[in-house]
Formats: sequence, C-alpha cells, structure tokens
Amino acid sequence: AQTVTQSQPEMSVQEAETVTLSCTYDTSENNYYLFWYKQPPSRQMILVIRQEAYKQQNATENRFSVNFQKAAKSFSLKISDSQLGDTAMYFCAFMLFHDYKLSFGAGTTVTVRA
Amino acid sequence: SAVISQKPSRDICQRGTSLTIQCQVDSQVTMMFWYRQQPGQSLTLIATANQGSEATYESGFVIDKFPISRPNLTFSTLTVSNMSPEDSSIYLCSVEDGVQGDGYTFGSGTRLTVV
Repeated sequence: AQTVTQSQPEMSVQEAETVTLSCTYDTSENNYYLFWYKQPPSRQMILVIRQEAYKQQNATENRFSVNFQKAAKSFSLKISDSQLGDTAMYFCAFMLFHDYKLSFGAGTTVTVRA
Repeated sequence: SAVISQKPSRDICQRGTSLTIQCQVDSQVTMMFWYRQQPGQSLTLIATANQGSEATYESGFVIDKFPISRPNLTFSTLTVSNMSPEDSSIYLCSVEDGVQGDGYTFGSGTRLTVV
C-alpha cells in the first residue's frame, strides 16, 4: 500500500510571501501521479496542481509550483506571492498509473496573514 | 471539468436514524467515489460505485452501514445507516476528471452531525 506523509500540520505565511509545503510518499512502483488539492473552509476540494512521475520537469500553475524529487520520493508545493484566498488545508495525494484510487496525506493547514 | 451537485450540504441527525446523500454529475462517468473526512482529518475512500454492479468497499467499510446506489451514469447515493456520533464527518463524492491521471472533481461535501 502506498503511504503519503505531510509532516507539517500547520503553516503560517505573510501575505505576498512564499511558503513551501512538504510531502513524501512511499511506493515501490515507477509510474504514478501526484496531486496537490486545496480545501478552503467552504469544504470544496480543488485541484491545485498535478505531476506525472515520468516527467522530470516540475509542474507549474501560476503562483503554484512543485519540486518533484523522484529518487527521494518527495513532492513539495511552493506557493508564491501568497494571497488571503490561499488560506486552506492542502492535501498531497498519490495515485498509481493504472489505478483509480487516491491516497491522501494528512493535510497541512495554511494560514495567510494580512 | 465535471460539475457535481451534492445534497444535502449539511444535516444534524438523531442517532439510530439514516441519512441519504445524493450526488448528481453533469456528464456521464464510469466510476463515482465516496469519501469520508472525519473532523480535522484527511479523506478516506469508503467505496467505488459503478453503474450496473455492486459498489466496491474499502477495508473497514461495509455495505450494511454504507449502502450505495448507482442507478445511472450521472447519479449516485450514499446512505449512512443506524448513525452514531462517530459517524459525524464530512462525506464527499468524487469523479475522475477527464482521462486517467487528470485528477478528480469533488462535490462540495455533506457535513453530518449525529447527536
């Protein structure tokens, strides 16, 4: 079974600054997908960014970027120019290439301070 | 991306009763997924619902407690039966977004409180 670990329960960042969330995972497989989801107080789960394991280039979506280190099994999320609307719980998730089940980490609560 | 309408958004229920949660998708999807998110916790997959067959339950979840219906390719229900306070959670449905690996779209969740 795949496990996803998010070691930071809470993070706080000043508006306009940068914050990095860590995520590690454990798998013996070579092909898989990684995701970061955001869950604001509204409860809606929103896909922030995704990464295919076979791609070496790190994914970027506007102010969100990842640092994917396959050998280290690490998948960190960087939020640049933080905005108040980024306040949410962030979940790292893993899915095997030919599977459909998402395995989620425990989540990191991010608070952006004005 | 698919759009999911999930109802109810919240409910407060008496212990021993049952609650049925509905999810309607604006497009046909093969699989629908039901998750539980206990207070302050991560998401745990309850079961996968396929149209025309019985749902597939994950370890720790049983059909008698969480019966699921999937009458067509755009709709599913999850029932939480014989509720106890331990069932107080957020329940979310989800569908695959596009092709495999694109990610998943989630409903807005049902916050259930059992008193």
